[in-house]
Amino acid sequence: GESVGLHLPTLSVQEGDNSIINCAYSNSASDYFIWYKQESGKGPQFIIDIRSNMDKRQGQRVTVLLNKTVKHLSLQIAATQPGDSAVYFCAETRNFNKFYFGSGTKLNVKP
Amino acid sequence: DADVTQTPRNRITKTGKRIMLECSQTKGHDRMYWYRQDPGLGLRLIYYSFDVKDINKGEISDGYSVSRQAQAKFSLSLESAIPNQTALYFCATSDRTGDGEKLFFGSGTQLSVL
Repeated sequence: GESVGLHLPTLSVQEGDNSIINCAYSNSASDYFIWYKQESGKGPQFIIDIRSNMDKRQGQRVTVLLNKTVKHLSLQIAATQPGDSAVYFCAETRNFNKFYFGSGTKLNVKP
Repeated sequence: DADVTQTPRNRITKTGKRIMLECSQTKGHDRMYWYRQDPGLGLRLIYYSFDVKDINKGEISDGYSVSRQAQAKFSLSLESAIPNQTALYFCATSDRTGDGEKLFFGSGTQLSVL
C-alpha cells in the first residue's frame, strides 16, 4: 500500500481540472485492485476496480491505470467537482482473500 | 451504506472495560469484515468471516474477538479496552461476483478509550 505516515498526502486541484491520485502497492502477487472514496463521516465507497490482466479501465469520469512493472496504481478523475473532495484509498488483494488498504490521499477541490 | 448498520456510532469507555461493537447487514452477503482506521493510516483488517462458521484473524487481531451470530450479524468485542484501541472501526460486507469483489462499508463507530 501507500507509505505509512501520520499526515495524509493532500492533493489540491481547481474545480474543472483533472486529478491524478497515485498509489504504490506492495505485493507483486496481488491480482485485483480497487479504489475507494471516503467522505467525511462516512464509510469508504467503491469507485472502480481493475484486475491484474488489464492496464486500464474507465468508468464514469474516472480511469484507473495499473503498472505492474513498478507496482503502481493511479486514479484519474476528469473535470473534478467539489463533490469529489474526499479521501481516496487504493486496496489490493490476491485471490480475493483479504484486502490491504493504502493510507489514503486527501483530495481538496477548490471552487 | 444504509444496508450495513453499525451500532453504536460513537462510544467512550474507560481502560479495562469490555465493550462490543455490533454490525448487521441486509445485503445477504456471506463475507463480513471488521477494519480499524487510525488518522493518517489506511484501514487495517482485524477479523473476517466468509461464512457463519468461519472466523479468521486479520493483521491486528490481538486484543479483539468476534462473533458471527448469523449471516447478517458480526460483532466485535474488546475484552479489556486500552487507550491505543481508540480508533474509527468499520464493518464491511462483500459481494463476490465473477467480475470482482466489492466491499460495502458501514458508517463506522468512533471509539474512544480513556
